[in-house]
Amino acid sequence: NAGVMQNPRHLVRRRGQEARLRCSPMKGHSHVYWYRQLPEEGLKFMVYLQKENIIDESGMPKERFSAEFPKEGPSILRIQQVVRGDSAAYFCASSPPAGISSYEQYFGPGTRLTVT
Amino acid sequence: DAKTTQPTSMDCAEGRAANLPCNHSTISGNEYVYWYRQIHSQGPQYIIHGLKNNETNEMASLIITEDRKSSTLILPHATLRDTAVYYCIVRITGFQKLVFGTGTRLLVSP
Repeated sequence: NAGVMQNPRHLVRRRGQEARLRCSPMKGHSHVYWYRQLPEEGLKFMVYLQKENIIDESGMPKERFSAEFPKEGPSILRIQQVVRGDSAAYFCASSPPAGISSYEQYFGPGTRLTVT
Repeated sequence: DAKTTQPTSMDCAEGRAANLPCNHSTISGNEYVYWYRQIHSQGPQYIIHGLKNNETNEMASLIITEDRKSSTLILPHATLRDTAVYYCIVRITGFQKLVFGTGTRLLVSP
């Protein structure tokens, strides 16, 4: 059973460009979470999604950031007009539907975004 | 904000048990204690969780005090590959976000 997959693993963007980060949850998982880890800092929650719904976006910056988890395909974290401060590791996690387990989250390997 | 307190760093000799403490004095009755670890720049890895009983799995044991205000993660025979940052997190079981604190940086040495 493949784990959580994220691509690309490394992404370089120039200031002002758009960054798209993709996350494919584990098979059978319908809940996706995005976290960000700035250099030398801890992980911070960004957003929690179920299929076609945003459940909790309390950690998302108010501007330039958006996330989706369509009915078909991976979850996408989109950053518009990137700035140097967006350089970080972005981790996706998934968890199974209710009743399957105790809701532990399984993380992907992350996407390292560098803004030049 | 994280509701747990952990030592910043700990050392352990390879092959010995690593005991990582965590204080969660404000834990509420319906909150579980979860442990994750992050090995150098990789995605965090789930280790174990518990409510009030001690728990054991193939990776570790979790000892929770009777008053539930603190707990200890035990790696019975630490290896060099256990060098990582260990996070203790309290949360209501459910589809809740994980709130990571600063964790404990465990260094396992030969």
